[in-house]
Amino acid sequence: KQEVTQIPAALSVPEGENLVLNCSFTDSAIYNLQWFRQDPGKGLTSLLLIQSSQREQTSGRLNASLDKSSGRSTLYIAASQPGDSATYLCAPAQGGSEKLVFGKGTKLTVNP
Amino acid sequence: EAEVAQSPRYKITEKSQAVAFWCDPISGHATLYWYRQILGQGPELLVQFQDESVVDDSQLPKDRFSAERLKGVDSTLKIQPAELGDSAMYLCASSLGRRGGDIQYFGAGTRLSVL
Repeated sequence: KQEVTQIPAALSVPEGENLVLNCSFTDSAIYNLQWFRQDPGKGLTSLLLIQSSQREQTSGRLNASLDKSSGRSTLYIAASQPGDSATYLCAPAQGGSEKLVFGKGTKLTVNP
Repeated sequence: EAEVAQSPRYKITEKSQAVAFWCDPISGHATLYWYRQILGQGPELLVQFQDESVVDDSQLPKDRFSAERLKGVDSTLKIQPAELGDSAMYLCASSLGRRGGDIQYFGAGTRLSVL
C-alpha cells in the first residue's frame, strides 16, 4: 500500500526566501506525481505534474523534481510571496488504476 | 476556463439523515473521482469512474455510501444514513482519462457537517 510523507508539516518563512518542500513515497510503481495547492476551506489547484519518465518540471517560480527509484519528490519555490501561503500536497498516481494517494501536506506561511 | 462544478458548497445534516452531493466534471473528461478529506489530512479516494463504469470503489463504505454516473457525465454521491464520522470535505475531480496519467482537476468541494 502506497504511503506518502511530506516534510515539514508546517513552514514559516519571510517574503523573498527560496524554499523546498519534500515528499517521499514507498511504492515506486507510479505513473506520475502531482503537486497541488489548497487554500483554507477550498478545493485543490494543480501546480505541476511530472510523468514517471521525467526528472523535472517547471512552471514560473515553481520547480518540481522526481527521483522515482528513491521514492522522492521536491517542490522548489523561488522568491516566495505572501500569496504563496497555502497547504501544498503531493500525490503520486498509482500504476494500474492511476489513483492519487495524498500526503498530509505542508502548510506554508510567507510573512510580509 | 472550464471548471469542475460541485453542489451544494455546504451541507449540515443530522445523524441518520440522507445526504446527496452532485458533481459536473469538465466537458470531455472521461474519468471522474470522488475524494473525502478529513480536516488536517490529505484527500482519500472513495470511488473512480471511467465513463459510466466504476473502476475503483475499494475505499467506499458500501453499507451507507453509493455513487452513480449515469450517461457518463455528471455524478451523484449519496450517504444514507449519515454518521457523525462522515463530517468532512467531499471533493470531486475529473481528468481526460488517457492512459499514462493526466492532470486531475478538482472542484471547490462540499463541506458536510453531521450533527
